[in-house]
Order: sequence, then structure tokens, then C-alpha cells
Amino acid sequence: QITLKESGPTLVKPTQTLTLTCTFSGLSLNTTGVGVGWIRQPPGKALEWLALIYWDDDERYSPSLKTRLTITKDTSKSQVVLKMTNMDPVDTATYYCAHSPSHCTNGVCLIYYYGMDVWGQGTTVTVSS
Amino acid sequence: SYELTQPPSVSVSPGQTANVTCSGHKLGDKFACWYQQKPGQSPVLVIYQDNKRPSGIPERFSGSNSGNTATLTISGTQAMDEADYYCQVWDSSNVVFGGGTKLTVL
Repeated sequence: QITLKESGPTLVKPTQTLTLTCTFSGLSLNTTGVGVGWIRQPPGKALEWLALIYWDDDERYSPSLKTRLTITKDTSKSQVVLKMTNMDPVDTATYYCAHSPSHCTNGVCLIYYYGMDVWGQGTTVTVSS
Repeated sequence: SYELTQPPSVSVSPGQTANVTCSGHKLGDKFACWYQQKPGQSPVLVIYQDNKRPSGIPERFSGSNSGNTATLTISGTQAMDEADYYCQVWDSSNVVFGGGTKLTVL
């Protein structure tokens, strides 16, 4: 059974850097095909994808936020960390991490084959001075 | 950047069929996923690869994708299906979500 849980500060000040941690179980980022991503949702608004990291260290970022985001993995701790710089009140949102598996056959992996099949409970971040 | 468009709201009577659409340029050339999100809860994957259901998702949920439109169909809609629904695709290895549709079961 795969589980993911987000953790981090509930309140950050404008211009600060946000650091969020996704701790997971039931999967390993050492395993071919495994990916973990971050998605956020401002209050009352739609889901917005932020970043993804894969077992092979491939990193993907939202084009609109790429300059502010860094995603890293610590396989020994079963964690994925997202850093977002220069926080602004518009970044107030619930932040989710999710498992995003790839379909791999004969050494070729297709990241678009499956959806994000397991999500964490989310963590709420408010940006305010 | 690639955009997905969903109607803000759809209404359906209990027991009837609900269709939630998602539009994008040549969307049929991509695999579409659908997520259900109830108030205060995390999204749940209900359809992937256009029309496949993950384990545990009821058979009344189905999907299709052709041309510029993907459709989530809920047959025999139940009150418990009232939720927000989001479509999602990959575009050049980036994840794109639609704006979401609020399904109301009247």
C-alpha cells in the first residue's frame, strides 16, 4: 500500500523560501518507473502542477514557476523535497504530493501512461506578513 | 503552453448520465486522466489512459477521448458522485490540469 504525507510550515512570510517534504511508504525512488510530484490548489481554485522527479533523477517543472522551484529526492529517507523561492500571498494554497508511475517495457519508460494514482492528504501554506 | 478547458459546472439528476467535457488542441492525441475531488479531500484518480479505471473505481465511471475533446461519463449518477472533476494530460513531459468542473447532483 502506497502512502504519501506532506509536511512543512503552515505560515511563511513574503519573499521567504518555502520548503516542503513529502514522506512516502510502499514505493521506492530507486525503482524503475517511479515518480513523485507536487501539485497545489489555492483556496476555491483549480489544481496546479508544480514539479515531478523520477527514479532516474529526471526533474520536470511547471514552465510558469520553473525559476522558483527545486525538487530533490532522498531515497534513503523515502522523501521528496520541494523548495519554492520568493513566496508571495498568491502562493497561499494546499500543497499535495502524489505518486506518478511510468510504464516501462524493454528499457523504455512512458511517463504519460498512468495518472497520479495516490495522493497525500495535503498541507496548507499561508503566505502573509 | 497547452491549455485544457472544462465547463465550470454540470448538473444531473440522480440516476441519470452525467457528461463532463475537457477540450484542448488535438487532445485525442494524448492520454487523458480524470480526478474526482470532494470538499476537504485530496483528489482521487478515477480514469487514466482515456478510459481505464483504477482498482476500486465503480464501473459507472467511464471515459473517452477523440479529436479535441475528452469526456468523463458517469452512468446512473449517485448523490455521492457530487464533486469537482479535473481532467489532466501530459504535454511535452509537463503535467497540465483543466480548470475543473463542479458536478451537482440535483
